[in-house]
Amino acid sequence: QVQLQESGPGLVKFSETLSLTCTVSGGSISGYYWGWIRQPPGKGLEYIGYVHDTGSTNRYNPSLTSRVTISVDTSRNRFSLRLTSATAADTAVYYCARLDKNGYYDYWGQGTLVTVSS
Amino acid sequence: DIQMTQSPPSLSASVGDRVTITCRASQNINRYLNWYQQKPGKAPKLLIYVTSSLQSGVPSRFSGSGSGTDFTLTISSLQPEDFATYYCQLSYPIHTFGQGTKLEIK
Repeated sequence: QVQLQESGPGLVKFSETLSLTCTVSGGSISGYYWGWIRQPPGKGLEYIGYVHDTGSTNRYNPSLTSRVTISVDTSRNRFSLRLTSATAADTAVYYCARLDKNGYYDYWGQGTLVTVSS
Repeated sequence: DIQMTQSPPSLSASVGDRVTITCRASQNINRYLNWYQQKPGKAPKLLIYVTSSLQSGVPSRFSGSGSGTDFTLTISSLQPEDFATYYCQLSYPIHTFGQGTKLEIK
């Protein structure tokens, strides 16, 4: 059974970079796409972006593309999210997930809350 | 950009009821539409993919239909564990989510 676990700081200062890692266990990261989705407190889900295991394909939400980078480390079976110039609007629960080639997310991490403080 | 409009935003129903949630796309998306269930404090769970395919382990009371711009998620007979928030999600080109439908006990 594939399992995903997010890790990283729960508190980020205004204007700094938000960095999270998702470690995949129970299966290989190779051969799949991997994505990040976030959910501000009390609100709906927002797609951030995804990457292919080779790192050759990246697709980002147009509203975030200037600030976001998603990368993959196949040697450690994990992938990462970097979001620069963080603001209070980036405060959210961040989920990592496996993306099927048909565009749906079939395995999810439990989520991690990141708060951007001023 | 393709916009996804989900309705209703909230819904009250009783155990045993048949419930339908609608997702409308601003342009033709063929069948590239997925549905998720989310309970408080938990990650979303995939229910239906590519409009009507039931994810492994999901009860058969859940079904999906539609094509083009209009899609529905139907729960044939509500069970206590089905009270949650439901989201539709576009597969291509951007993985846009609907605003969600909160299903509450009447």
